[in-house]
Amino acid sequence: DAGVTQSPTHLIKTRGQQVTLRCSPKSGHDTVSWYQQALGQGPQFIFQYYEEEERQRGNFPDRFSGHQFPNYSSELNVNALLLGDSALYLCASSLGRSSYNSPLHFGNGTRLTVT
Amino acid sequence: GESVGLHLPTLSVQEGDNSIINCAYSNSASDYFIWYKQESGKGPQFIIDIRSNMDKRQGQRVTVLLNKTVKHLSLQIAATQPGDSAVYFCAENIQDGNNRLAFGKGNQVVVIP
Repeated sequence: DAGVTQSPTHLIKTRGQQVTLRCSPKSGHDTVSWYQQALGQGPQFIFQYYEEEERQRGNFPDRFSGHQFPNYSSELNVNALLLGDSALYLCASSLGRSSYNSPLHFGNGTRLTVT
Repeated sequence: GESVGLHLPTLSVQEGDNSIINCAYSNSASDYFIWYKQESGKGPQFIIDIRSNMDKRQGQRVTVLLNKTVKHLSLQIAATQPGDSAVYFCAENIQDGNNRLAFGKGNQVVVIP
């Protein structure tokens, strides 16, 4: 039973570029949430996707966007990259939108470095 | 692997001793709390959760205590093992119209063999 998988594992981009990160949820899960984790900090909520729509959003600018596909996999897109976007990007999946019924399962993340 | 524990509060504990990790949460309306463990180079791993209608919950070698009066959460690890070395995060389910988890800053646990 595959857990949450993310690709790529590492990525280096230049300021101003755009990046797409990918996530496949744990088998049986239908909800995907994305988090940004700066070095030495806890993960910060970016947004959540359920039924192919963005359902909730944290305090992140519109440069951060996403998509969920019919097979529940998801992409995170970041435009006009800034140095401050360098972080570990974590994807988490669950069954349904509520944390109560299904705790978040995290992937191992994509380490994005912006130079 | 890369470290996620730079400049974090650090607890050093002898192998076999018990560990206690503390967390203060921010929102009195939060009704669900989770402890996660994050090893170097990996994503957070679920350890144990507790709802606000409880003040204690036990798992295998772990116990979570919740004190809603002072908005405090703790994780106790019994008979700490080298594999317990990691960064531990508490997370609260924010009930502000968005059902999402808000994570604390984390505590580094170093187990001394």
